[in-house]
Amino acid sequence: DTEVTQTPKHLVMGMTNKKSLKCEQHMGHRAMYWYKQKAKKPPELMFVYSYEKLSINESVPSRFSPECPNSSLLNLHLHALQPEDSALYLCASSQEELGRVNFGPGTRLTVT
Amino acid sequence: GENVEQHPSTLSVQEGDSAVIKCTYSDSASNYFPWYKQELGKRPQLIIDIRSNVGEKKDQRIAVTLNKTAKHFSLHITETQPEDSAVYFCAAMDQGGKLIFGQGTELSVKP
Repeated sequence: DTEVTQTPKHLVMGMTNKKSLKCEQHMGHRAMYWYKQKAKKPPELMFVYSYEKLSINESVPSRFSPECPNSSLLNLHLHALQPEDSALYLCASSQEELGRVNFGPGTRLTVT
Repeated sequence: GENVEQHPSTLSVQEGDSAVIKCTYSDSASNYFPWYKQELGKRPQLIIDIRSNVGEKKDQRIAVTLNKTAKHFSLHITETQPEDSAVYFCAAMDQGGKLIFGQGTELSVKP
């Protein structure tokens, strides 16, 4: 299995909802990432879990919170989002010392 | 920290022509430079990458060149085809292992 998988593919949520995005990889990679991407813009790094340590992009609001249940799974919990949070959310993984970052298919999130 | 500039932002070529996209980076300690292709509605896909101990790498119609002294790297696509149409992102890996992306180039290959 050489893929990063993400669920759901699409998500529509209201501003008062709580939802979670899920990501899984079975490549034994030790680093996993969440990126946010707006149309035709580059991915923006939100969080990194590398060797069981979390790094946070300090510009990410607290309504996004990551959770790493084990080395293969990375979730992103969403709470009280704003319409401007609508975007493609990409999970990725890498064998950090090699540097190659593999992206999952993404979750298309719409906040109404 | 690392900063990556990418040019041009849009590029239109005729089928069969070559396309060149250029990126510059600021941190001389960066040592890994991937290129991603992203088709509409799809994930970014790694198409080629280069490490700082190599000056050029080729894979069929795609090549990447790296000039460490000048801190720039370029993507070359030869014999372009309509299916090459996509947004291309360059990136540099900073000292913390994080990818810093360029702003992207929208390539359009006209049949």
